[in-house]
Amino acid sequence: QKEVEQNSGPLSVPEGAIASLNCTYSDRGSQSFFWYRQYSGKSPELIMSIYSNGDKEDGRFTAQLNKASQYVSLLIRDSQPSDSATYLCAVNRPGHEKLTFGTGTRLTIIP
Amino acid sequence: DAGITQSPRYKITETGRQVTLMCHQTWSHSYMFWYRQDLGHGLRLIYYSAAADITDKGEVPDGYVVSRSKTENFPLTLESATRSQTSVYFCASSWTSGGTDTQYFGPGTRLTVL
Repeated sequence: QKEVEQNSGPLSVPEGAIASLNCTYSDRGSQSFFWYRQYSGKSPELIMSIYSNGDKEDGRFTAQLNKASQYVSLLIRDSQPSDSATYLCAVNRPGHEKLTFGTGTRLTIIP
Repeated sequence: DAGITQSPRYKITETGRQVTLMCHQTWSHSYMFWYRQDLGHGLRLIYYSAAADITDKGEVPDGYVVSRSKTENFPLTLESATRSQTSVYFCASSWTSGGTDTQYFGPGTRLTVL
């Protein structure tokens, strides 16, 4: 089992709809969770971080964490073509000073 | 404010040659990281450093060497390049622990080993 798993996609969502990106992790003790966005040919940039169970909202983005199910998700409301990118989930395992990244989900917003 | 920069941005080399990729950050971040990104594998950590003169292995360290004599620089050396090291390399930095703090990525170096 991979430490961090994501559906590679591509995930196609109509403009204006909600895009839902999912990530599961294997280490139950993981404490910090991050979503990075990476445009084609560019470097990753942080979208959201979440550390506690529940939802965290930032503009059109909502991160959801369920530690019991070892599941973290990212919702993008009112999806825009500019949201088309690869979204990387990253998890910090306890006692580690580093992140483990998933392979990313490619999201395409269809105008 | 330059932030975090990498050089060169593109590099073509031959098998067996030594190659050094440079990473420089202007924020005085304590932590610095080197990743490689390949299709199907996502971002994989090669080495990281918690401070000057402190480095540690990541997931895929074989064939790579790092040093960090100054806080702002973290060069990555491929001692004898192999074709399997063809990849996009990203340097990143963070203020505090790379596990709990935001990591800021450089623009990347695309390396091709012929």
